[in-house]
Amino acid sequence: GAVVSQHPSWVICKSGTSVKIECRSLDFQATTMFWYRQFPKQSLMLMATSNEGSKATYEQGVEKDKFLINHASLTLSTLTVTSAHPEDSSFYICSAAPPASFNYEQFFGPGTRLTVL
Amino acid sequence: AQSVTQPDIHITVSEGASLELRCNYSYGATPYLFWYVQSPGQGLQLLLKYFSGDTLVQGIKGFEAEFKRSQSSFNLRKPSVHWSDAAEYFCAVGSKAAGNKLTFGGGTRVLVKP
Repeated sequence: GAVVSQHPSWVICKSGTSVKIECRSLDFQATTMFWYRQFPKQSLMLMATSNEGSKATYEQGVEKDKFLINHASLTLSTLTVTSAHPEDSSFYICSAAPPASFNYEQFFGPGTRLTVL
Repeated sequence: AQSVTQPDIHITVSEGASLELRCNYSYGATPYLFWYVQSPGQGLQLLLKYFSGDTLVQGIKGFEAEFKRSQSSFNLRKPSVHWSDAAEYFCAVGSKAAGNKLTFGGGTRVLVKP
């Protein structure tokens, strides 16, 4: 149990276009989902926290107009990178937390590799 | 604010030898502590976690970790390393005060020599 999927697993796009990444909890309902960014050979940096039915909370320094997050249901959150540029190329990982997760455990997706040309 | 430090960026170990990865955290109350492993281009796999109780935690793949409050540490150990253990290892801390947020350490890359 506790499986999280991401789609696509990798994507290449042209500079200036927008890209949408989906994060789904397959066998549980996730009231909270998280989006992380990971540069090569670096750690995970939290970008934002999304709660179902409400606006996402962005970490300091993350542009909310550039990284649009929608958490429309208890099993789906999406991250849209708008007007992508080469510096947005990165590995994006989502995670999901079940409701009343007293131990704050998160279940991670396999990640999405974004390359902007 | 909570923070995590993994002092070792790289560790090289011979296959069959023991492995210890260090993790130090900074947080005032009792933290929730995690160790994850990441293979190249992959997501994170949970190795083990500590919330309360026994300070020696057993995980998957033969890993264990010990929570030492006095040293603010949560070091990961494996008695005998296999070539398949070569990967990046991340320590993470969460807490009630931080909501559901996890803070990750910088990671330790483990290389296994034959």
